Amino acid sequence: QSALTQPPSASGSPGQSVTISCTGTSSDVGQYNFVSWYQQHPGKAPKLIISEVNKRPSGVPDRFSGSKSGNTASLTVSGLQAEDEAEYFCVSSTGSNRRPFVFGSGTNVTVL
Amino acid sequence: QVTLRESGPALVKPTQTLTLTCTFSGFSLTSAGMCVTWIRQPPGKALEWLGYIDWDDAKHYTPSLKTRLSISKGSSENQVVLTMTNMDHVDTATYYCARFDYSDYVIDQWGQGTLVTVSS
Repeated sequence: QSALTQPPSASGSPGQSVTISCTGTSSDVGQYNFVSWYQQHPGKAPKLIISEVNKRPSGVPDRFSGSKSGNTASLTVSGLQAEDEAEYFCVSSTGSNRRPFVFGSGTNVTVL
Repeated sequence: QVTLRESGPALVKPTQTLTLTCTFSGFSLTSAGMCVTWIRQPPGKALEWLGYIDWDDAKHYTPSLKTRLSISKGSSENQVVLTMTNMDHVDTATYYCARFDYSDYVIDQWGQGTLVTVSS
């Protein structure tokens, strides 16, 4: 089962920005605006930070933003803070009940 | 506040059947559009969708595991049960339950996950 491709790691100093890509295909990321991003700290449940490409749920800081171009979605974390150090992964809907979700491989973000 | 929590054995032997329970609160699985899904992540690998049950009790499974997998409502109205037969070493993974709404396919809440190791 192929996953959405993400860089394995990314890093930045406090206050800087980091952008994570999520590359899929024309059958998932490219076809639907149902791309979500999640933050996961070790041992914790994943937390939804972006839905439908660029919507922030209530309570998520506006330092987190999402976008999409073609088959690639992106998450940008601006003004990096120590607590942003975590694993981030993307999820795309496929519109199919046989496999409604396809997942990113995950990116470990380090705050230097 | 919506929460989900997985429970079940941490260790199962090859060929045994795995039973995991997802206990949730803050929503009703009978509300139109509500779905509970199971997802797993083998160590060092990507997440894999396993299946889901919806508000109308319909079930959908990933084709590769369809013959081994069953998802059902539990004995309590706030529980969903995953059953996987004939467990193998490759099924070692962290298993998550999560909630999504059929109208937007956004998984908005996840459980913390439970690590299941298959070993003799």
